[in-house]
Amino acid sequence: EAQVTQNPRYLITVTGKKLTVTCSQNMNHEYMSWYRQDPGLGLRQIYYSMNVEVTDKGDVPEGYKVSRKEKRNFPLILESPSPNQTSLYFCASSSMGDSYSNQPQHFGDGTRLSIL
Amino acid sequence: AQTVTQSQPEMSVQEAETVTLSCTYDTSESDYYLFWYKQPPSRQMILVIRQEAYKQQNATENRFSVNFQKAAKSFSLKISDSQLGDAAMYFCAYRTLDNYGQNFVFGPGTRLSVLP
Repeated sequence: EAQVTQNPRYLITVTGKKLTVTCSQNMNHEYMSWYRQDPGLGLRQIYYSMNVEVTDKGDVPEGYKVSRKEKRNFPLILESPSPNQTSLYFCASSSMGDSYSNQPQHFGDGTRLSIL
Repeated sequence: AQTVTQSQPEMSVQEAETVTLSCTYDTSESDYYLFWYKQPPSRQMILVIRQEAYKQQNATENRFSVNFQKAAKSFSLKISDSQLGDAAMYFCAYRTLDNYGQNFVFGPGTRLSVLP
């Protein structure tokens, strides 16, 4: 079954304690991205990756890091989390085939992060 | 940069009736793609319908159809014969053709309630 898997689904932690949210896809997609969803703001892109070892900033990259060492994995790292990073996070992937822009993104089920 | 606006934070519709959700966007590009995503309480992001900007014909998917007005930069979603399962947050999204830039831009969402 084609899917994007995020872990954990829920996490409550404290300010300053480093955390990683994992994301893995089994569709051999080149493109992966991270979003945060906040009420009234929709989904905002944090980082994206066009392929292995190729990453770039989205709209709201401050306070986040990513890496793309393998095609299937795209972890999101919060080195020193702060309360303003409390949010719902989504990982997504899509193909960059011939109909690149028509490929819908496949989303993970989301990770609810609470930073106290 | 592209922006997507959904002016209706909340809407409600009676079961079996028709409802239209509005979406406008701002872009200087002539070719692009537009999408509607549904997010039920389960938090999953589900693709509802997509529209290619170069196609004049409005996309339809069963009870879902769009009214795409390119000159007005408007992309509304019509849900016919509304069902209780249609209750969700709906996001309008724009996707650039630029392979080297950001990917999806989402609107803030419209929460749809379906009344029995």
